[in-house]
Amino acid sequence: EIVLTQSPATLSLSPGERATLSCRASQSVSSSLAWYQQKPGQAPRLLIYDASNRATGIPVRFSGSGSGTDFTLTISSLEPEDFAVYYCQQRRNWPPETFGQGTRLEIK
Amino acid sequence: EVQLLESGGGLVQPGGSLRLSCAASGFTFSTHVMSWVRQAPGKGLDWVSTISGGGGNTNYADSVKGRFTISRDNSKSTLYLQMNSLRAEDTAVYYCVKVLSGYSYGYSDFWGQGTLVTVSS
Repeated sequence: EIVLTQSPATLSLSPGERATLSCRASQSVSSSLAWYQQKPGQAPRLLIYDASNRATGIPVRFSGSGSGTDFTLTISSLEPEDFAVYYCQQRRNWPPETFGQGTRLEIK
Repeated sequence: EVQLLESGGGLVQPGGSLRLSCAASGFTFSTHVMSWVRQAPGKGLDWVSTISGGGGNTNYADSVKGRFTISRDNSKSTLYLQMNSLRAEDTAVYYCVKVLSGYSYGYSDFWGQGTLVTVSS
């Protein structure tokens, strides 16, 4: 089973700043990685799939990059609604698909 | 508009059973792969099971294999999860999810609101 490790666990930033979130896989997942956003009391929302493709309706300030074992989600300029928990997910070695433990993005 | 509405959650004793349902609308249900993903209170996401559009292909996480059964009724646009021999560690919000078009597993582009399953005596 592929283990995904996200860092940092918590990221404290201010609106307008740039956010960089990391996801590292225990073995190569090629480009088969997604990012989700989850706000308190809500279901997750798909942001990015296949490492760099934005899902329908996702603002352009969200971008994904990476391949193999190292991936990054970048939010170019934080909006107030972006403060949430972010998860990465791999589908390369399936089953199972696995998720990272999450990064909490909080307002500084 | 895609909608996924789960039901059937609740409190059950260890060793008991529960059946979750997910009523889908807003898309052609029979042509899409569907999954269940769960989230224990205050924890991360955990894939449970996936079923193909026709229902003939199913897969399970090792933690639920032999205890849970995923199924679907395409005539009713409804997804099910039969959960038997429930354990305390199965306590979680269970999400019904639609897999992204063009993919046979993995990426979930629509999620229900979730239904809470609590396993406790």
